[in-house]
Amino acid sequence: GQQVMQIPQYQHVQEGEDFTTYCNSSTTLSNIQWYKQRPGGHPVFLIQLVKSGEVKKQKRLTFQFGEAKKNSSLHITATQTTDVGTYFCAGTPGNQFYFGTGTSLTVIP
Amino acid sequence: NAGVTQTPKFQVLKTGQSMTLQCAQDMNHEYMSWYRQDPGMGLRLIHYSVGAGITDQGEVPNGYNVSRSTTEDFPLRLLSAAPSQTSVYFCASSYSSPGQGYRQPQHFGDGTRLSIL
Repeated sequence: GQQVMQIPQYQHVQEGEDFTTYCNSSTTLSNIQWYKQRPGGHPVFLIQLVKSGEVKKQKRLTFQFGEAKKNSSLHITATQTTDVGTYFCAGTPGNQFYFGTGTSLTVIP
Repeated sequence: NAGVTQTPKFQVLKTGQSMTLQCAQDMNHEYMSWYRQDPGMGLRLIHYSVGAGITDQGEVPNGYNVSRSTTEDFPLRLLSAAPSQTSVYFCASSYSSPGQGYRQPQHFGDGTRLSIL
């Protein structure tokens, strides 16, 4: 079954509001990657977290890896219309990449 | 560099037909994989390969075959198409991991939209 779950499945926000998506794994992950998929497009790599408790920032995006390496989050501050898309986490227990179910973000201008 | 190239982009099949989805990469990546994407299910791994001549099953391998005779190509074969295989299929590639815990980012193709009637 699905080993990596994400919540929420959908999120609608007003432009300028913050957004957070959470990723939870049933097993300990060696690392977590985050991808963004624009409507009609393919997933594009955003970032990778490897260390327990790691926090990384990319402009308005903040990524966290949990202390137990079983959960992660992506927070976007002051969303813009260019943030629209589906955000996926992907974990790698072993040689397989397990993608989360994704969070679809809609930004209302 | 073309990156990861998938063909065809769209395909309609009848139940029971077979076909091969093509995937090629020109980045000399060792790791290649196939995913299917269905609404609400995210991306599910079908098969993957860590190098030429080596393949392994992912989460949802039933009904699909793969082979990896060269580093560049990783075709996905549908043996006898079923309506449940209607989906968007993505091929991805990456370098192999250099060390413990770190994985290279995956580069995705544009996808194949497959409908089975």
